[in-house]
Amino acid sequence: NAGVTQTPKFQVLKTGQSMTLQCAQDMNHNSMYWYRQDPGMGLRLIYYSASEGTTDKGEVPNGYNVSRLNKREFSLRLESAAPSQTSVYFCASKLGGANQPQHFGDGTRLSIL
Amino acid sequence: KQEVTQIPAALSVPEGENLVLNCSFTDSAIYNLQWFRQDPGKGLTSLLLIQSSQREQTSGRLNASLDKSSGRSTLYIAASQPGDSATYLCAVDAGKSTFGDGTTLTVKP
Repeated sequence: NAGVTQTPKFQVLKTGQSMTLQCAQDMNHNSMYWYRQDPGMGLRLIYYSASEGTTDKGEVPNGYNVSRLNKREFSLRLESAAPSQTSVYFCASKLGGANQPQHFGDGTRLSIL
Repeated sequence: KQEVTQIPAALSVPEGENLVLNCSFTDSAIYNLQWFRQDPGKGLTSLLLIQSSQREQTSGRLNASLDKSSGRSTLYIAASQPGDSATYLCAVDAGKSTFGDGTTLTVKP
């Protein structure tokens, strides 16, 4: 009963390094999302994929890229990490449609020095 | 731009007390509102989803209401237990979700 799986759980990077956060869901969901959570700012949408083959920008897309590799997997890439990208990153998915609940992974805690 | 506010930011109650958490939003053009629970160091767990056409949803000791016209939702927790201690977030969905900052609940034994 895995649900939404995120890897890695923790990561420390130096400024300028690149990395990819992985997300996979096993619920046959159509829509997938990447959020960041920062104290006092709530969860903010970075990118989302309404269905396989499509991706769209959210509220805070600058400095990030995404790939919807297939229906199960949605990755988030930081090309040149900056200290402002230190955050907890959450991946979520939902079946699709207006009234389906979102399901979240446990997050990736990313620190950029 | 949709804004979601949760007041209070923190709440501490003795075990057994009934309590209400509040969520307000500025734009009533929503598809649904979802309540989540977040434990420290964990992701969000969905508790209840209320569609825009509904007034309330119930699950066990939890009851969520929605008044779309006034831009308000409440989460009622009956007979609170120490295991209910967590941060509770609401999110409104209008195509994309907007989250509140959450209310951190502590239930003291």
